[in-house]
Amino acid sequence: SQQGEEDPQALSIQEGENATMNCSYKTSINNLQWYRQNSGRGLVHLILIRSNEREKHSGRLRVTLDTSKKSSSLLITASRAADTASYFCATAHGSNDYKLSFGAGTTVTVRA
Amino acid sequence: GAGVSQSPRYKVAKRGQDVALRCDPISGHVSLFWYQQALGQGPEFLTYFQNEAQLDKSGLPSDRFFAERPEGSVSTLKIQRTQQEDSAVYLCASSTPLGGYTFGSGTRLTVV
Repeated sequence: SQQGEEDPQALSIQEGENATMNCSYKTSINNLQWYRQNSGRGLVHLILIRSNEREKHSGRLRVTLDTSKKSSSLLITASRAADTASYFCATAHGSNDYKLSFGAGTTVTVRA
Repeated sequence: GAGVSQSPRYKVAKRGQDVALRCDPISGHVSLFWYQQALGQGPEFLTYFQNEAQLDKSGLPSDRFFAERPEGSVSTLKIQRTQQEDSAVYLCASSTPLGGYTFGSGTRLTVV
């Protein structure tokens, strides 16, 4: 069963704009991870944020986590055409935190 | 190798045929995972190995699915008597205890 739900399902932006997508989940987590998937390829790990962290940065990526609202957001700043991909959040829970629960993803299209 | 390698990249099977999907994890990665990704969905957990031990197979959808990792490195996911609903991308991932999975590019299985 899928724990995470991404919002929006699809996003189209102009190159140079920022892209924000959200993830909500149902039960308390150990950590939350964001992945990118280019068409027909495997998933690439972007960022892991632990339940006691509120914000994390990696290059042009910024992830926030609000455990009281059971939600996370991924911000991509100054988007590029190469950022066109599907983005998934994945949550790890309890003693089985090796087992990631993925949402259905947000498809981001960056127009040149 | 540098990444997780999966083969074949594509597999077309006739309904009822048996298939075997191979995963070569990153050298030294103890943990290995199989996920199933239906079209337009996020990956769903199938099974987890720590070295050669299969610690969790709760995600395998039926007893037609079988996974092994006999020497703690290469893993094989076998599907017997394939059905149309087995059509999906099968992703393998490996990880270290620090977290964050490295996924392979997947095997796209189409059952006709």
